[in-house]
Amino acid sequence: RKEVEQDPGPFNVPEGATVAFNCTYSNSASQSFFWYRQDCRKEPKLLMSVYSSGNEDGRFTAQLNRASQYISLLIRDSKLSDSATYLCVVFSRGRDDKIIFGKGTRLHILP
Amino acid sequence: EAQVTQNPRYLITVTGKKLTVTCSQNMNHEYMSWYRQDPGLGLRQIYYSMNVEVTDKGDVPEGYKVSRKEKRNFPLILESPSPNQTSLYFCASSLEGQGSQPQHFGDGTRLSIL
Repeated sequence: RKEVEQDPGPFNVPEGATVAFNCTYSNSASQSFFWYRQDCRKEPKLLMSVYSSGNEDGRFTAQLNRASQYISLLIRDSKLSDSATYLCVVFSRGRDDKIIFGKGTRLHILP
Repeated sequence: EAQVTQNPRYLITVTGKKLTVTCSQNMNHEYMSWYRQDPGLGLRQIYYSMNVEVTDKGDVPEGYKVSRKEKRNFPLILESPSPNQTSLYFCASSLEGQGSQPQHFGDGTRLSIL
């Protein structure tokens, strides 16, 4: 199983639709989880941290399922400006602290 | 404005000619890191630094060097660049920790080694 795995997409979704991304991770000792957004040829930017109880920020909801070792991101009422690549990031603390970036899921919102 | 600044943004150079990519942050962050991003491979960590004078290898350190003499600066050095180091490079910083805190990224440096 890959350390952090995401569906590469692309997801082509009509404006206004709800989109859901999943990201699985292999290390059960993983402690911190994030979703980043990366526009084409730009730097990654933090979208939201993912908390154990789940968290919401406007149209975005992030959830963590430790038992099944995955995190999810839900985007409601999608906008054209949501078109980007979404990166899942997992931090594991152990003998060697490690941060792993997923390869990202590309999202295209269609007008 | 809080930011991570990388220079240069673009560089085309030849094999074997030493180069340095500078990275500076103005947020008084303890942690800094370098990544490379390649199509199909995602972001991979090259080196990171937990604090001044403390640096550690990431997943792909071969062919790179770093130094952390001051808190704000974390230059990436390619002593003898080779074509397989052609990539998009990002510097990042966070308040502390090896990825336990959200990271702020620089704009990126697109490096082409001919």
